[in-house]
Amino acid sequence: QQQVKQSPQSLIVQKGGISIINCAYENTAFDYFPWYQQFPGKGPALLIAIRPDVSEKKEGRFTISFNKSAKQFSLHIMDSQPGDSATYFCAASIGMSAGNMLTFGGGTRLMVKP
Amino acid sequence: KAGVTQTPRYLIKTRGQQVTLSCSPISGHRSVSWYQQTPGQGLQFLFEYFSETQRNKGNFPGRFSGRQFSNSRSEMNVSTLELGDSALYLCASSLVVSTDTQYFGPGTRLTVL
Repeated sequence: QQQVKQSPQSLIVQKGGISIINCAYENTAFDYFPWYQQFPGKGPALLIAIRPDVSEKKEGRFTISFNKSAKQFSLHIMDSQPGDSATYFCAASIGMSAGNMLTFGGGTRLMVKP
Repeated sequence: KAGVTQTPRYLIKTRGQQVTLSCSPISGHRSVSWYQQTPGQGLQFLFEYFSETQRNKGNFPGRFSGRQFSNSRSEMNVSTLELGDSALYLCASSLVVSTDTQYFGPGTRLTVL
């Protein structure tokens, strides 16, 4: 099955807090897991991505944690800022043989309160 | 370097009409993918083109079609529009066909009345 489930649907965090968004997948053939950030009126923009051979990847305030056995991965935004308020999508794809076909989660609308 | 451009940005059509949307990828990018974004269904993959060939197709009816030109520009066409086709249509380009970073355009907002 190609589904990717994302939670929560919406999230409110105080400035300086940690935002955590979770995703779970079914298809064990997925081998690339990107996170996208989308602002109103804009297309999604890649934030950070991970492959299953790594359990954690950090880029600045953004960290992906990956649990292959549980088929789950999560995005942590440290020291959340009002400018981080956006919709976040997790995604997954099968890899080179399947080209660039991304299966997206349902999205999480994040609001960071000043 | 200019980003992915999509034209038009907004479009209003009536049921039964057809529509063509255009996407110009980032210079040098050869892979173009299309996605439909709706509040109910989220982001769904439509199709992907590389070197003028369709590599993958999502689970959409045959009314949805696309093509890619030799300069990597792509168009998608929706025939016999239905109300449910109202959505934001996003185009994404990447350098090659792989799990390479995809860069999304701002989308075309299609409203079907």
